[in-house]
Amino acid sequence: NAGVTQTPKFQVLKTGQSMTLQCAQDMNHNSMYWYRQDPGMGLRLIYYSASEGTTDKGEVPNGYNVSRLNKREFSLRLESAAPSQTSVYFCASRTGGYQPPGTGELFFGEGSRLTVL
Amino acid sequence: GEDVEQSLFLSVREGDSSVINCTYTDSSSTYLYWYKQEPGAGLQLLTYIFSNMDMKQDQRLTVLLNKKDKHLSLRIADTQTGDSAIYFCAESPGSARQLTFGSGTQLTVLP
Repeated sequence: NAGVTQTPKFQVLKTGQSMTLQCAQDMNHNSMYWYRQDPGMGLRLIYYSASEGTTDKGEVPNGYNVSRLNKREFSLRLESAAPSQTSVYFCASRTGGYQPPGTGELFFGEGSRLTVL
Repeated sequence: GEDVEQSLFLSVREGDSSVINCTYTDSSSTYLYWYKQEPGAGLQLLTYIFSNMDMKQDQRLTVLLNKKDKHLSLRIADTQTGDSAIYFCAESPGSARQLTFGSGTQLTVLP
């Protein structure tokens, strides 16, 4: 019962370096999401993919790109990391599809803790 | 725009009731959720309420919804040390495909 798996769990980067956060779910979910969590600010949506083959910007997309590689996998890329991107990143998924928008439980990964020096 | 607000901290004594409050702005929200985040972990769904309900009870948890005031609360009866966590309120506007989360309330249960 893996659920949502994120890698890596921890990463330290220097300003300007690039990296990709990987996310995979084994629940046959249609929709996948990337959030960042910062103290006192809750979770903010970076990008989401309502279904395989589609991606959309969330609240804070600047500095990030995403790829929905297949139904299982949704990756988040930082092309040129900045200290402001120091955060905990969460991938989540839910059934989506023909459910009414906004319904369905979100399942979260354990998070990826990124520090940009 | 959408906005969900919660107080950041709450401390209670073990055995007391905890009440975590949340206000939201989008009156078209169809579902409202409470998620729990334990240290070093992702969020897990605790409970949810449909917008046409006023109250939902699930064992030690009671959710109250005042749709007129756009106010949601989560009451935890007989709070235990294992309830110490961050609790997030989230709304799901009718036309949106994603949830909007509040800032989270850190609940600390004192022995």
